[in-house]
Amino acid sequence: EPEVTQTPSHQVTQMGQEVILRCVPISNHLYFYWYRQILGQKVEFLVSFYNNEISEKSEIFDDQFSVERPDGSNFTLKIRSTKLEDSAMYFCASSEAGVGEETQYFGPGTRLLVL
Amino acid sequence: AQSVTQLGSHVSVSEGALVLLRCNYSSSVPPYLFWYVQYPNQGLQLLLKYTTGATLVKGINGFEAEFKKSETSFHLTKPSAHMSDAAEYFCAVRNRGAQKLVFGQGTRLTINP
Repeated sequence: EPEVTQTPSHQVTQMGQEVILRCVPISNHLYFYWYRQILGQKVEFLVSFYNNEISEKSEIFDDQFSVERPDGSNFTLKIRSTKLEDSAMYFCASSEAGVGEETQYFGPGTRLLVL
Repeated sequence: AQSVTQLGSHVSVSEGALVLLRCNYSSSVPPYLFWYVQYPNQGLQLLLKYTTGATLVKGINGFEAEFKKSETSFHLTKPSAHMSDAAEYFCAVRNRGAQKLVFGQGTRLTINP
């Protein structure tokens, strides 16, 4: 069964460093998402992406964050200058369509620790 | 703004007992409703969802959930718990026309032998 994959599974970085989290969505899906879960808190929506542009984003998704689909398979989340509070589990998801009853399929997550 | 509340961050039941995980949402217009399960070191896996039609929906692994509009609830149940059901369960909603999922805080289910 097709699945969403994410790399790396864990990443440790120093405050102020740039990090890139990578995701390979399910191949025929057109909508891509990033969510994050800070330890002990809810899973929060960051951004959705369709047709090479951001279609929806939350207040969390400020200028420090960016997303890109650099090729036909990868979808990346970049954090330009990491802060301690960016430490979280980051989930990538994808879906065939963007609204309605479409299921979003999630990857296993990347655990980011900012020191 | 839409919010989702899962009553109980930890639920513990005996093997073979009824599992009941509660979920309430806040919007007056019924959204699309989802339950996801997360096993250790894995992603969020869809258990079941409600979109329209029959309010009792069946999912994988013997789970089912009932949408009750009057109570703005979408509680998850399983008649007989199995050790393999131990996991974290997330209720999520999506407003019609929106893309983002709004999650509850999750409920960790423990099964006692």
